[in-house]
Amino acid sequence: DQQVKQNSPSLSVQEGRISILNCDYTNSMFDYFLWYKKYPAEGPTFLISISSIKDKNEDGRFTVFLNKSAKHLSLHIVPSQPGDSAVYFCAASANSNYQLIWGAGTKLIIKP
Amino acid sequence: DTGVSQDPRHKITKRGQNVTFRCDPISEHNRLYWYRQTLGQGPEFLTYFQNEAQLEKSRLLSDRFSAERPKGSFSTLEIQRTEQGDSAMYLCASSLGRPTLGNTIYFGEGSWLTVV
Repeated sequence: DQQVKQNSPSLSVQEGRISILNCDYTNSMFDYFLWYKKYPAEGPTFLISISSIKDKNEDGRFTVFLNKSAKHLSLHIVPSQPGDSAVYFCAASANSNYQLIWGAGTKLIIKP
Repeated sequence: DTGVSQDPRHKITKRGQNVTFRCDPISEHNRLYWYRQTLGQGPEFLTYFQNEAQLEKSRLLSDRFSAERPKGSFSTLEIQRTEQGDSAMYLCASSLGRPTLGNTIYFGEGSWLTVV
């Protein structure tokens, strides 16, 4: 039973354009959402997070949007750069919980 | 400034051997987590510690797996009688309290295990 789903295994975007990565969840108790970036053979690196009391959080080129009614969040990267090529994971946690629940990841490829 | 560090980064072992991984969390973090990741999947939770107390273990953590955090600082993850299915990246992470806004979980670079 996947509580966090990333339905696109991969995404290819032209350098300079906007990359949009999507994530859906089923557990309405989730109150904190995060995006991590992972290069091969390395651990995940924290990118940006959002609390359920907000619908948008922005940090430089990265913006996360949360739509609670649709149980959907997205990560926007603009402009996309070659160094953004990596696997992006969406993760969520619920109040009083101790762990993160992870999606399966989306591989982002930035084309020159 | 040191992040989460793991050792060794890579380990190749024969089936049936024991292996041990070490994790040094960010120094002020009281929570330490172990995850396992295989190709095409997100990290799978194994266990976590609050200080020296192991508070939760996943069903993925069979009796061949044991984790310790004796002084509430570094942690070890031991796998006994390794099997080929244990081949994965073992990730350690730490946080200051429950994962929430301001208490991000930070990961180490992982320890790759290959069982041949």
